[in-house]
Amino acid sequence: GEDVEQSLFLSVREGDSSVINCTYTDSSSTYLYWYKQEPGAGLQLLTYIFSNMDMKQDQRLTVLLNKKDKHLSLRIADTQTGDSAIYFCAETPTSGTYKYIFGTGTRLKVLA
Amino acid sequence: EAQVTQNPRYLITVTGKKLTVTCSQNMNHEYMSWYRQDPGLGLRQIYYSMNVEVTDKGDVPEGYKVSRKEKRNFPLILESPSPNQTSLYFCAARDSNTDTQYFGPGTRLTVL
Repeated sequence: GEDVEQSLFLSVREGDSSVINCTYTDSSSTYLYWYKQEPGAGLQLLTYIFSNMDMKQDQRLTVLLNKKDKHLSLRIADTQTGDSAIYFCAETPTSGTYKYIFGTGTRLKVLA
Repeated sequence: EAQVTQNPRYLITVTGKKLTVTCSQNMNHEYMSWYRQDPGLGLRQIYYSMNVEVTDKGDVPEGYKVSRKEKRNFPLILESPSPNQTSLYFCAARDSNTDTQYFGPGTRLTVL
């Protein structure tokens, strides 16, 4: 079945780069997303990538997609304390339904 | 401003007392969805709606009902809440042009 996996925790020092990883199982996914959830808040869309792309860059964010390995990563350059949050990877399988599959979320802690 | 609103934001209730969580969007999106978020499990889809009067089950529909009588509203109904439905609930509306979901602020429900 469809599944999206992420590691639960990541800790980095302020100013370093953060890399959050995600693996998915549905090779027919069309879109893959990264969402950010700050404490007590809803999910905020950070970026998304089409499945026919390898990379997408948006300011401090770089998304890399390896379709062969079904691996998605989010790199945050110059990580700041305000980046501390939970990051969710999500996919939209093209199985004829409109179900979204989310990962368990990675809690990023940025140390000053 | 494009937004998804939910009410109430916080609710404490008792087992068996029917409740409704409302969701409304002002973006005229056809697709809407409900999720619950639980520690270590990420977001799981409860129900979704492709359009008015069209709803379908997500991954965890048991104990929930929805209705979609008009495009902007998508209420979540718990006919007989139980403690295992204590969770954080999110409503979302999807932009069909980008397959991107926009989330509401969340409703924290506690069932005693």
